[in-house]
Amino acid sequence: NAGVTQTPKFQVLKTGQSMTLQCAQDMNHEYMSWYRQDPGMGLRLIHYSVGAGITDQGEVPNGYNVSRSTTEDFPLRLLSAAPSQTSVYFCASCCNPSRDYGYTFGSGTRLTVV
Amino acid sequence: GNSVTQMEGPVTLSEEAFLTINCTYTATGYPSLFWYVQYPGEGLQLLLKATKADDKGSNKGFEATYRKETTSFHLEKGSVQVSDSAVYFCALSRKETSGSRLTFGEGTQLTVNP
Repeated sequence: NAGVTQTPKFQVLKTGQSMTLQCAQDMNHEYMSWYRQDPGMGLRLIHYSVGAGITDQGEVPNGYNVSRSTTEDFPLRLLSAAPSQTSVYFCASCCNPSRDYGYTFGSGTRLTVV
Repeated sequence: GNSVTQMEGPVTLSEEAFLTINCTYTATGYPSLFWYVQYPGEGLQLLLKATKADDKGSNKGFEATYRKETTSFHLEKGSVQVSDSAVYFCALSRKETSGSRLTFGEGTQLTVNP
């Protein structure tokens, strides 16, 4: 009954460092996505994937890379961290893309870039 | 493009008061509409949904009706409890060729006092 698991929960980076935020789901969902949450802006889509081997950009993709080598995992990579990437990051997964049953969200990663 | 507008917050109510959080949307075609709730320090949880006009979503005493003529999906609850204190997000998704993508409103912070 794990759902969507995100690691780490908290991270502090220095400007210019790189890191990978991990996301895994055990529900055999085809659809996975990454959002960032900033005060007063709701959640904005960074990247998404409709299945293994298929990814696409969302609203705010710059500075982030993703890959989807398996159905279960969808890591988000920050190539060279900047203070503007300080945010809370949420991974989400969903059922068959043709159904709107709603997404399951992870508990989030709070990232601070100094 | 798609967009969601929520009433400005924060909202502060006394226990057992009536709650309305307004949500309007802009989208082409026939989106599905959602309300998500985020409790402090947690990820987003699906609260309720509606997939077509005049549908009413309901859960835990909350209700929202999909009004196509006014492009609205207002959240209501007849008697709020302290445990309802959270951030509420309205969202929509459309079945595009690349799969569903969620567009969120800014979120409304609700505080319920005893």
